[in-house]
Amino acid sequence: AQRVTQPEKLLSVFKGAPVELKCNYSYSGSPELFWYVQYSRQRLQLLLRHISRESIKGFTADLNKGETSFHLKKPFAQEEDSAMYYCALSEGGSQGNLIFGKGTKLSVKP
Amino acid sequence: DTGVSQDPRHKITKRGQNVTFRCDPISEHNRLYWYRQTLGQGPEFLTYFQNEAQLEKSRLLSDRFSAERPKGSFSTLEIQRTEQGDSAMYLCASSLAPGRDEQFFGPGTRLTVL
Repeated sequence: AQRVTQPEKLLSVFKGAPVELKCNYSYSGSPELFWYVQYSRQRLQLLLRHISRESIKGFTADLNKGETSFHLKKPFAQEEDSAMYYCALSEGGSQGNLIFGKGTKLSVKP
Repeated sequence: DTGVSQDPRHKITKRGQNVTFRCDPISEHNRLYWYRQTLGQGPEFLTYFQNEAQLEKSRLLSDRFSAERPKGSFSTLEIQRTEQGDSAMYLCASSLAPGRDEQFFGPGTRLTVL
């Protein structure tokens, strides 16, 4: 069964420290993976997707098919990065619905 | 505001009552998705539409849940005979194209069943 696992409910770091939010997935086909972010009192929004291979707000994520992982990384965390982060997998074919992990709350302390 | 909108933002109802939520997607978006999010969980897919056609509804949580998108624009999600376990955030999302295009989420409707 398709599944997304985010092992950490809460990750707390100091400003300027590196951040890695973990995401592992289970999927039988060729996955498409996303990171969505929800800042306080805002709606869920796309942060990045693996096919774009972009860096957004200093965040990057690399798809590792061997380890079935899509960890989100940022070398120097900022206070404004504090938010809820969700890893998501798009189901196959043309359906497009997302399977989300439970989310990791990132808290960046000054 | 040209984003996805949802109405109402909050709904409090008594057990056994019916409730209906509305979602207005971004105007040119053909795809519309409904998700449910309970406390401490990520959003859970319920159903989706391609224009007015409901292409997947097996994930609706029970036969008390139904959704429509009659003219391929706005959509409604109805829950009949609400139960306390239905208390959750109901999210709507839309996307431009079929498949794996970016989904834009609405602010959600928070349902509380007393």
